[in-house]
Amino acid sequence: QSALTQPPSASGSPGQSVTISCTGTSSDVGGYDHVSWYQHHPGEAPKLVIYGVTNRPSGVPDRFSGSKSGNTASLTVSGLQADDEADYYCCSYAGRNKLVFGGGTKLTVL
Amino acid sequence: QLQLQESGPGLVKPSETLSLTCSVSGGAITSNLHYWGWVRQPPGKGLEWIGSVYFTGNTYYNSSLKGRLAISVDTSRGHFSLNLTSVTAADTAIYYCARQILDRGRLPFFDFWGQGTLVTVSS
Repeated sequence: QSALTQPPSASGSPGQSVTISCTGTSSDVGGYDHVSWYQHHPGEAPKLVIYGVTNRPSGVPDRFSGSKSGNTASLTVSGLQADDEADYYCCSYAGRNKLVFGGGTKLTVL
Repeated sequence: QLQLQESGPGLVKPSETLSLTCSVSGGAITSNLHYWGWVRQPPGKGLEWIGSVYFTGNTYYNSSLKGRLAISVDTSRGHFSLNLTSVTAADTAIYYCARQILDRGRLPFFDFWGQGTLVTVSS
């Protein structure tokens, strides 16, 4: 399976909102409501911030939100804070219990 | 609190076998609600799902690695393992173990991850 497509970088100032896209195909993103997003500070364990396209795990602030339209999913981080600066990866179920990740987006808080 | 800890050699020679273990503590490896998976990140690249195992030994593998890959579980010791044969420099990566949710027969996402361990393939 091919990797999902994410922009390599995104940025925003503190307090602003930024949206990261994740484009796949009808065999993964478009075919299932099983898109997840992970926040990764290098050197640390990745952290789940969104699952099932729109759901936030307990403890993740509501500044993080997810959506999907067709074959493209999106992660929006509102009210940017310094600690939001990290790499973000999308992931989609791709049928027959296979998973495919995106290439990652480096979010910079200016 | 669930903890996952990867362990294994940090350096493997080309053509040899890469072997890693993930120790699970603070949670039951025999949970019927979870699979246990491996994900890797080559230097400067994105994440790649490797494969997943259930406490019964049932497995799912990334087809790009099939033929070289074996993932197993040892419930008595509370750990699961990765064996990747005939490694090359392309297998150099940070290897993460993670817990995967089982939802109505599907494995849609990882909810908890280990810190990862760097494995370098070099002579």
